[in-house]
Amino acid sequence: GAVVSQHPSWVICKSGTSVKIECRSLDFQATTMFWYRQFPKQSLMLMATSNEGSKATYEQGVEKDKFLINHASLTLSTLTVTSAHPEDSSFYICSARGPSSNQPQHFGDGTRLSIL
Amino acid sequence: AQTVTQSQPEMSVQEAETVTLSCTYDTSESNYYLFWYKQPPSRQMILVIRQEAYKQQNATENRFSVNFQKAAKSFSLKISDSQLGDTAMYFCAFSGRVGNEKLTFGTGTRLTIIP
Repeated sequence: GAVVSQHPSWVICKSGTSVKIECRSLDFQATTMFWYRQFPKQSLMLMATSNEGSKATYEQGVEKDKFLINHASLTLSTLTVTSAHPEDSSFYICSARGPSSNQPQHFGDGTRLSIL
Repeated sequence: AQTVTQSQPEMSVQEAETVTLSCTYDTSESNYYLFWYKQPPSRQMILVIRQEAYKQQNATENRFSVNFQKAAKSFSLKISDSQLGDTAMYFCAFSGRVGNEKLTFGTGTRLTIIP
C-alpha cells in the first residue's frame, strides 16, 4: 500500500517552454503533498507544501510564479515549471501523506528535468 | 528552525558486516519524528525506519535498528548483516508534529557494500 506515482520520469525540453509534472497517490487519499528539488549529489530541498483545495505554501526563496502548484483533488498534485530555463534542470520529487499526521510521507520515483 | 547533520559523506563495509550511520539534529520542539530514508541509484526515496520522539524504545525493522538518544539529539542507524542491495544514499530526516510535518533532510551518507 501507500504508492505514489510521479509522471513523467524524464523530460527534455527547450528553454522557454512550460513543463507539468504530476504526482498521484494511487491507493490512499493524500491531504498533503510535498514537492522537493534535488541537485546532483545533494540532499532534498523542500520547495512547497500543498494541501488539497488550498493554495500551496512555498519555502523561502522559491518563486511561486515560476513553480505553479495545484492540488485540486485528494489524489493528484501538479507542479508546473513555467518558462523553464537551463538553471531549472534538476531532479524533482513529490511525496504524499494521508489524512493522519501520524502517517509518514511516501515518495514518488522522481522526475528528471533537462532544459536545453 | 530544525537542522539535521550527517557527518559521514561516504562509508563502505564488507558484505555481512554491521555498519552504523550517524545523525545529529537540533530542534526546540519536544515532540517530533525522525526518519532514515534510503535512495538507491534508481533515486526512489524509500522509508527505512521511523522513530517517534516520545517513545523511549528504539525502533527496529528487521536488519535495521536505531540508537535514539533524545538528550544528545542523536539518531544513528545500524544495519546488521549488510547486503549488496543496501548500497545507496542514506538520508536522516526530521519532521515536527501536527502543523509542521515538512521534512528536513541531512546531507546524506553514501554507503557502499563491498562483495
